[in-house]
Amino acid sequence: DTEVTQTPKHLVMGMTNKKSLKCEQHMGHRAMYWYKQKAKKPPELMFVYSYEKLSINESVPSRFSPECPNSSLLNLHLHALQPEDSALYLCASSQRGIRKTGELFFGEGSRLTVL
Amino acid sequence: DAKTTQPNSMESNEEEPVHLPCNHSTISGTDYIHWYRQLPSQGPEYVIHGLTSNVNNRMASLAIAEDRKSSTLILHRATLRDAAVYYCILSPYNNAGNMLTFGGGTRLMVKP
Repeated sequence: DTEVTQTPKHLVMGMTNKKSLKCEQHMGHRAMYWYKQKAKKPPELMFVYSYEKLSINESVPSRFSPECPNSSLLNLHLHALQPEDSALYLCASSQRGIRKTGELFFGEGSRLTVL
Repeated sequence: DAKTTQPNSMESNEEEPVHLPCNHSTISGTDYIHWYRQLPSQGPEYVIHGLTSNVNNRMASLAIAEDRKSSTLILHRATLRDAAVYYCILSPYNNAGNMLTFGGGTRLMVKP
C-alpha cells in the first residue's frame, strides 16, 4: 500500500471550474512533488516543494497553482484548465537530500478529465 | 541533464530471469542510477539505485558497468506481477530535492 494518499482518485471538470487536488503523507518527508503523466508517456515534473517552500517550478502555466500548507500536505489548485490538461497527476514525497537515499514515494494519482 | 536510453519493450517468460538494459553514456561522476517501475493504474515505485558498485535488494539487482556508461536491472525470477514500465533515471547527488527526470522507459511483458 502506498503511504502517499491522493484525493480525489478521479475528477471531471469543465474549463471554467475551479477544483483542487490533494496529497498527504505522514512519513515526515520534507520534499514533496507534483508530476503530470499523459497516457503512455513518462511522468513529467511540475513542481517541487522543499521545507514547505516552492523550490522548483518547471515553467508550468499559471492555471496550475500549487500550495503546501504544512509539511504533510500538498495541494494543486486548478482553474480555467484546457482539455489538453487531462492527465494523471501524481504526487510524491521524499526525505530531504539525495546523498543517502534517492527514493521517491508516489501516490496512485488523480486522474483528471477536462471537458 | 544526462539522458538514458532504454528499449521500448521487452518480453519475458514467467519464472525466468529478466535483464533490462539502460545506456547512459553521458553520465557524470556524481550521477546516481535509479530504477523505478510503474505497474498498470499505479504510481511509480522505487526499485533500486546505485552509484558505482553493483547493488542487490529484495526486489532486484543492479549491475553497473565499470565505466558507468550502462547498467542492467536484473529480475531474478519474473512473475506476472512484474509486468510494468521500468524507468532508468539519472540524478545528480546535489540535485535540489531529489527530483527525478523520467525517460521513456521499457515496457516489460511477462508471459505465463
